[in-house]
Amino acid sequence: DIQMTQSPSSLSASVGDRVTITCRASQGIISWLAWYQQKPDKAPKSLIYAASSLQSGVPSRFSGSGSGRDFTLTISSLQPEDFATYYCQQYYSDPLTFGGGTKVEIK
Amino acid sequence: EVQLEESGGGLVQPGRSLRLSCTASGFTFGDYAMSWVRQAPGKGLEWVGFIRSKSSGGTTEHAASVKGRFTISRDDPKGIAYLQMNSLKTEDTAVYFCTRTVDTAMVLDYWGQGTLVTVSS
Repeated sequence: DIQMTQSPSSLSASVGDRVTITCRASQGIISWLAWYQQKPDKAPKSLIYAASSLQSGVPSRFSGSGSGRDFTLTISSLQPEDFATYYCQQYYSDPLTFGGGTKVEIK
Repeated sequence: EVQLEESGGGLVQPGRSLRLSCTASGFTFGDYAMSWVRQAPGKGLEWVGFIRSKSSGGTTEHAASVKGRFTISRDDPKGIAYLQMNSLKTEDTAVYFCTRTVDTAMVLDYWGQGTLVTVSS
């Protein structure tokens, strides 16, 4: 199974900050990576697929990059509605696996 | 508008069975794979399995933790995906989400609101 490791596991940031979350795969997954946002007691929401492609309707302040084993989710200017937990997920091979999540909290 | 609604969750004793349903609307159900993902209380996301569209073979894959106990199926005319859960264990306690899944890439692009399954005596 491919292990996905996210860092940090949590972070505190202020509105307007630039936030970066990293995700590392235990083996190369080309660009078969997605990012999801989950708010408390809500279903996850798809943000990015193919490492850098934004889902329809997702604000442009979200961006993804990377290939191979190392990937990044960046929020260019954190907004109040962005405080949530973010997960990466590989779909290079099954079983599909998720990172442990990064909780973005208000500083 | 794509909508997915899970149902069938509840409290069940260890060793018993439960069937979850995921009713879809707003898209051509048969054109997509469907996946199930679960989240134990206070924990992260765990993929349970998926079923491919008929055009991609209609085959299923399940996580090792549920293989042999859980089965995913689909009824395309009704627009419903199912998760049959047998021999339930306390560690199966979780919110279960169904997701629309892009067959060619296994991206989980739309999620239902989830249904809670509690396995306890």
